[in-house]
This record gives sequence, C-alpha cells and structure tokens, in this order.
Amino acid sequence: DGGITQSPKYLFRKEGQNVTLSCEQNLNHDAMYWYRQDPGQGLRLIYYSQIVNDFQKGDIAEGYSVSREKKESFPLTVTSAQKNPTAFYLCASSIGPSSGANVLTFGAGSRLTVL
Amino acid sequence: DAKTTQPPSMDCAEGRAANLPCNHSTISGNEYVYWYRQIHSQGPQYIIHGLKNNETNEMASLIITEDRKSSTLILPHATLRDTAVYYCIVRVAGTGGFKTIFGAGTRLFVKA
Repeated sequence: DGGITQSPKYLFRKEGQNVTLSCEQNLNHDAMYWYRQDPGQGLRLIYYSQIVNDFQKGDIAEGYSVSREKKESFPLTVTSAQKNPTAFYLCASSIGPSSGANVLTFGAGSRLTVL
Repeated sequence: DAKTTQPPSMDCAEGRAANLPCNHSTISGNEYVYWYRQIHSQGPQYIIHGLKNNETNEMASLIITEDRKSSTLILPHATLRDTAVYYCIVRVAGTGGFKTIFGAGTRLFVKA
C-alpha cells in the first residue's frame, strides 16, 4: 500500500545532541512537508520541499535542517540549537505545488523527548 | 498565519449531525478549502475539499457560501469515533509555492 513512513515512532535524546527523523513516501509525490505539534496545539510548519534538491523554511525553521536528495525521502534533523525540541513531529506529502487541489497525506508521526 | 478562523470547541450528540463552521474571508478566487481531522496522537486525516460547489463524500459534506468567505463541514450522523480536532485549511502563498498552514482547529466532542 502507498503511504508515508516515519521513523522512529518514539525517540529520546539528551540535551546537546542532534537527532534525525526519517520520512519516506512511496506515493510518487513531488512535495513534502515537516510539521511540529506541541500538546494541545495545532501544527506548525518547519520546512517544506516542492521538488527534489530544493526546500524552503516554514514558520519555525530555526534549529532544524532538512535535505531532499531523493524524491521519496525528506529527513529532518533537530539540532542542538533548537531550544525546546520535545514535541510531536509530523511529515506529509502532496502531489505538487501547482496542481489545483493539493491534498496532504500524513505519516503517523515521531514523538521526540529531550531528557 | 492561518487564513481561517474556527470556534475552539463544539459538542454534538451521538447520531445527530455535526456542523462545523469556518471563516475564510480572504480566500482568493482559485484557492480550495480543505478539511482534515486529527484524532489524538495520530497524523491528520484528509476529509474533503471544495472550490465553489458543495461537495459530498463517504465521510462528510462541505457547504461553501456563494461568496466563498465561509464554509461548513457536516458530519451527517456523528459517532463517538468522530471525536477529534477538525482543521479548516486554505493554503497561503510562500517562497517557491503554496504552503499549508494549520490553525488551532475545532475540538469536536461527540457525546453518547
């Protein structure tokens, strides 16, 4: 079945460590997105990529980095510069930026806890 | 910032219709309205989208006003499993294309 796979589902890290969250999709979608969600809050956009080898900052990009070397993969690195990284991270994809309707498909999420 | 406003919470009796409103007064002529829902600790799930006409699928109906400044998501026979946060979305223009911004959504409680 086509979909988005995020890993790991749960991750613990110590302060000062970088950590990379994986996001893979087999939907042949051009666009991919990373969101952060804090308890009781909505989703906030971290980074998005409309095409391979290109990505843009969202509303809360500071302390995060991404790469888009392959169409199906969009890993997110949470760096030590991110002051409050404990959160639920969601990856999504869509057909592309230019199509009339742009429905997002989400992964199951990765929950990061900084100890 | 999100281009939509929604009430923070609503209640609905099981078996009754749930009507969730959304205001999007700054929507441009060619932008769609999308609805998603999120059950606790899961990824959001797509429900429905529309441009001008009313839409219906197996999950819900979407009613868009003629001036397109507001819409209503209708769950015709709400069940306890419909308890979730419902997001109304209109994309915003960003660098390199449009981006999907989520507001706080409406927390729907379906009660037995």
